[in-house]
Amino acid sequence: LAKTTQPISMDSYEGQEVNITCSHNNIATNDYITWYQQFPSQGPRFIIQGYKTKVTNEVASLFIPADRKSSTLSLPRVSLSDTAVYYCLVWTGGGNKLTFGTGTQLKVEL
Amino acid sequence: EPEVTQTPSHQVTQMGQEVILRCVPISNHLYFYWYRQILGQKVEFLVSFYNNEISEKSEIFDDQFSVERPDGSNFTLKIRSTKLEDSAMYFCASSVLQGGTGELFFGEGSRLTVL
Repeated sequence: LAKTTQPISMDSYEGQEVNITCSHNNIATNDYITWYQQFPSQGPRFIIQGYKTKVTNEVASLFIPADRKSSTLSLPRVSLSDTAVYYCLVWTGGGNKLTFGTGTQLKVEL
Repeated sequence: EPEVTQTPSHQVTQMGQEVILRCVPISNHLYFYWYRQILGQKVEFLVSFYNNEISEKSEIFDDQFSVERPDGSNFTLKIRSTKLEDSAMYFCASSVLQGGTGELFFGEGSRLTVL
């Protein structure tokens, strides 16, 4: 199972770009990288998923280098409402078990 | 937008009692999951379910727990003989695709308090 490592917490200010990096050194060939967001007392919410290179949607961008041993979630121009826990997950193909790590608590201030 | 709905939103029970948490997954989804989150801790996988049987389960999901899809729309988690340490938020999720190849849609959770 690919283990993920990400910072426990990050602080930022409104309007700034935030980059959260996740390490997954033993990622397997078939694994996808997925990021979720969780607000207090709510279920996690899917942000973005990628396999390699760069993926962008209306919320975020995901950068994955060629070796795929890490990935970076980029949130452009964060606001107070982006304060949440962000989870990096790697799914090991062939199973049906998506495991959450400890996540990164992002705090956005004025 | 379709969503996963869970009931009850909050349940308080006495230790040793049985609890059933209910979930209505999104209608065209094929894969179903239960997760739990103890206050202040990470989201923990309990079980995944596909084609009317369990496909994966964690070490947490012991004989005290069971899941069922009784009628084609509901997906339930039963906890027999609850313990204090079962107090947590329980999240149901569903997906169209297997595991991590697609998006898991989570419900708002059922908070279980065991006294």
